[in-house]
Amino acid sequence: DAGVIQSPRHEVTEMGQEVTLRCKPISGHNSLFWYRQTMMRGLELLIYFNNNVPIDDSGMPEDRFSAKMPNASFSTLKIQPSEPRDSAVYFCASSWDRQWYGYTFGSGTRLTVV
Amino acid sequence: AQTVTQSQPEMSVQEAETVTLSCTYDTSENNYYLFWYKQPPSRQMILVIRQEAYKQQNATENRFSVNFQKAAKSFSLKISDSQLGDTAMYFCAFMKHANTGTASKLTFGTGTRLQVTL
Repeated sequence: DAGVIQSPRHEVTEMGQEVTLRCKPISGHNSLFWYRQTMMRGLELLIYFNNNVPIDDSGMPEDRFSAKMPNASFSTLKIQPSEPRDSAVYFCASSWDRQWYGYTFGSGTRLTVV
Repeated sequence: AQTVTQSQPEMSVQEAETVTLSCTYDTSENNYYLFWYKQPPSRQMILVIRQEAYKQQNATENRFSVNFQKAAKSFSLKISDSQLGDTAMYFCAFMKHANTGTASKLTFGTGTRLQVTL
């Protein structure tokens, strides 16, 4: 299995531009999570899906952030417009119907907004 | 809400020695899951070990073991025979049990940076 695949690995963009981060979960996993990691705030859950349905988006910082999961094998996290304070590492993770399993994480996207 | 506390921001250990990383958590739940994740400089988050709260036996994975004290809400990680490749950030994490059995939110601690030296 290829694991959780995120793209791009690095993204540098100018303030005000739209940014789209992509994630392909492990085949057969039915839960998908988006986390953000910063030095100041650590690892924060932004949103998660179960069977492609958003379950909890209370961690999404504001309306500039949106996430979709159109099918079981693909999810996007979009920031529009981007701001310098959005600079962080964004992780996608997936899991299946066994809570004791925990998550498998992707390698993350480092976003820099200048 | 659950909180996870890692009180050791940084630790250092010599190769082949043993080190213990501390983690405490606060919850009113009786059934939950605890995890340790490792984040090396590559930034990949790697699951090290997991523990189910209803199991009294401490989990073990090769050189990694935990000391789970449910009453004290403590979940420490012991690394035996430390290796240079163990150098990483280590995160303790908590997941509340859901009756549906599906995975839910992982709440992470702030991490402990472990340096293994020669």
